[in-house]
Amino acid sequence: AQKVTQAQTEISVVEKEDVTLDCVYETRDTTYYLFWYKQPPSGELVFLIRRNSFDEQNEISGRYSWNFQKSTSSFNFTITASQVVDSAVYFCALSEADDKIIFGKGTRLHILP
Amino acid sequence: EAQVTQNPRYLITVTGKKLTVTCSQNMNHEYMSWYRQDPGLGLRQIYYSMNVEVTDKGDVPEGYKVSRKEKRNFPLILESPSPNQTSLYFCASSEYQGMGDEKLFFGSGTQLSVL
Repeated sequence: AQKVTQAQTEISVVEKEDVTLDCVYETRDTTYYLFWYKQPPSGELVFLIRRNSFDEQNEISGRYSWNFQKSTSSFNFTITASQVVDSAVYFCALSEADDKIIFGKGTRLHILP
Repeated sequence: EAQVTQNPRYLITVTGKKLTVTCSQNMNHEYMSWYRQDPGLGLRQIYYSMNVEVTDKGDVPEGYKVSRKEKRNFPLILESPSPNQTSLYFCASSEYQGMGDEKLFFGSGTQLSVL
């Protein structure tokens, strides 16, 4: 069965520090997609990135970067030079060929000024 | 403006009184789904639909019903709500790409309290 583990329940860092949010997944499918979503204190859920199982290239978008490693079934998310606006709950998610989507329990990130 | 609209935003009800939470999207998306968010449990998928008249169970479908009679609408029905269904509910939609490629656009959420 598919599963997504975000072992870090809550993280606090001081502004401008780098921080990595871990995501480990389990699946038997060879074709699947991984996602990250952000939920700021206002409560809405916002898509950040999607990656398919055949594309292990790391991705960088401004201060955000993602490291996908199939060998360790991980899809980690790093924020470089964190800012207070990055404070949010971050969810990792997995979707397989049947289009059912499994979310991790989320990591609450506090960026302290 | 492209959006997913859920109503109501807040709802307080009593055990056993049937209720419907509406969800509508204006992006012509094929894929729609419902989630509940509970502290410490993250987001859990209740039901999803890949097109009109096609619905499938997610991880926590018990106690819920859905229907997809029109492409834009995907209401969530609680026939006999119970206190353990008190939660924050999100509807989401996606342009259907298949094979799990579902980039979700979420509604603003419905906070449901069942007394």
